[in-house]
Amino acid sequence: DAKTTQPNSMESNEEEPVHLPCNHSTISGTDYIHWYRQLPSQGPEYVIHGLTSNVNNRMASLAIAEDRKSSTLILHRATLRDAAVYYCISSGNTPLVFGKGTRLSVIA
Amino acid sequence: DTAVSQTPKYLVTQMGNDKSIKCEQNLGHDTMYWYKQDSKKFLKIMFSYNNKELIINETVPNRFSPKSPDKAHLNLHINSLELGDSAVYFCASSQVQGAPGNTIYFGEGSWLTVV
Repeated sequence: DAKTTQPNSMESNEEEPVHLPCNHSTISGTDYIHWYRQLPSQGPEYVIHGLTSNVNNRMASLAIAEDRKSSTLILHRATLRDAAVYYCISSGNTPLVFGKGTRLSVIA
Repeated sequence: DTAVSQTPKYLVTQMGNDKSIKCEQNLGHDTMYWYKQDSKKFLKIMFSYNNKELIINETVPNRFSPKSPDKAHLNLHINSLELGDSAVYFCASSQVQGAPGNTIYFGEGSWLTVV
């Protein structure tokens, strides 16, 4: 599994877009990019994942660089409920190995 | 319906005791996991079971013994509890072990405090 690098923390204003970056420069061709988040006092929850193409779902968008060495999770309009630790994981299989993640704070 | 449910949610116990945490998933998944999140918030895989068979044991002490009576259940039994066992334990499941792009579904966690 490729190692990922994320900022320790980020801050966003409510109702503004948030771009959470992740570097995975050692990613292999079959590794997926997964994003999970962990709300306070809850278990991690799936956000989105992708392999090569950008992906959209009801929670977020995932933009994957052409060389796949980095990706960005985009929350289109941050709400207070989006305050969480966001984990970027680059992996070819389960179980997923979690790093430290990015703690996102949302300011009202 | 809760997809992955674990009980108890909170557990406070004395050193040396034996305790169990139960986990059930109703997603029809073949693979179940136990993760541990310590006080520094690192989330680490402990065990992985596929169709009731142990697949991964990440150098967890022998005092921890998972048991899978069927593929929908994976219970965690801990003997001779130590202070360092205090953590949040998360049960999780996914469709197939090792499949790329698999999504893991987590329970809400069991907060274990050893005093």
